[in-house]
Amino acid sequence: GDSVTQTEGQVTVSESKSLIINCTYSATSIAYPNLFWYVRYPGEGLQLLLKVITAGQKGSSRGFEATYNKETTSFHLQKASVQESDSAVYYCALTRASSSFSKLVFGQGTSLSVVP
Amino acid sequence: NAGVIQTPRHKVTGKGQEATLWCEPISGHSAVFWYRQTIVQGLEFLTYFRNQAPIDDSGMPKERFSAQMPNQSHSTLKIQSTQPQDSAVYLCASRGYEQYFGPGTRLTVL
Repeated sequence: GDSVTQTEGQVTVSESKSLIINCTYSATSIAYPNLFWYVRYPGEGLQLLLKVITAGQKGSSRGFEATYNKETTSFHLQKASVQESDSAVYYCALTRASSSFSKLVFGQGTSLSVVP
Repeated sequence: NAGVIQTPRHKVTGKGQEATLWCEPISGHSAVFWYRQTIVQGLEFLTYFRNQAPIDDSGMPKERFSAQMPNQSHSTLKIQSTQPQDSAVYLCASRGYEQYFGPGTRLTVL
């Protein structure tokens, strides 16, 4: 089946430093899935951070970026300079591109702590 | 727009009791998804409805779990004879262009 892997369960970064959260996917039933990053801030619900549906394209939101790389089957999340307010849990996810209504398959999540 | 509403936010049941979780999707959204989150398994898909019809229940445990969407304004997830391993946060999402998640119901089975 389809799967998403996030290798880091927890990441601690100093404020103003750069960040990369790794995400790789395996889509056995679909050639080019839609790829997402969701975020859960403390005390809040899960919300969409960014989405990319075309291989080779880059998505961006709130200073975060992620590029859909079909060669390496990766969708890493990056930010050049993190702030304390970025502390949250980040989830990489995919859906089937062939259907406009499709379940999300999530990675295990990466908890980001930004320290002063 | 109140977003996706889930009630109750917290539910504690004894082993063997029934639990019913409610989800009110965003008005105008045609699809409702249910997910479950545990520390061990992470976020898992359970089932989804489109235009009130069940479309995919491939993630639902075969026994004790059932879901319904009797009208456009709400969906329910029912767990019969709850077991400690059912303890989790149950998330509902409704879909217009994207999936929008509710705050979840934390179910604790003692």
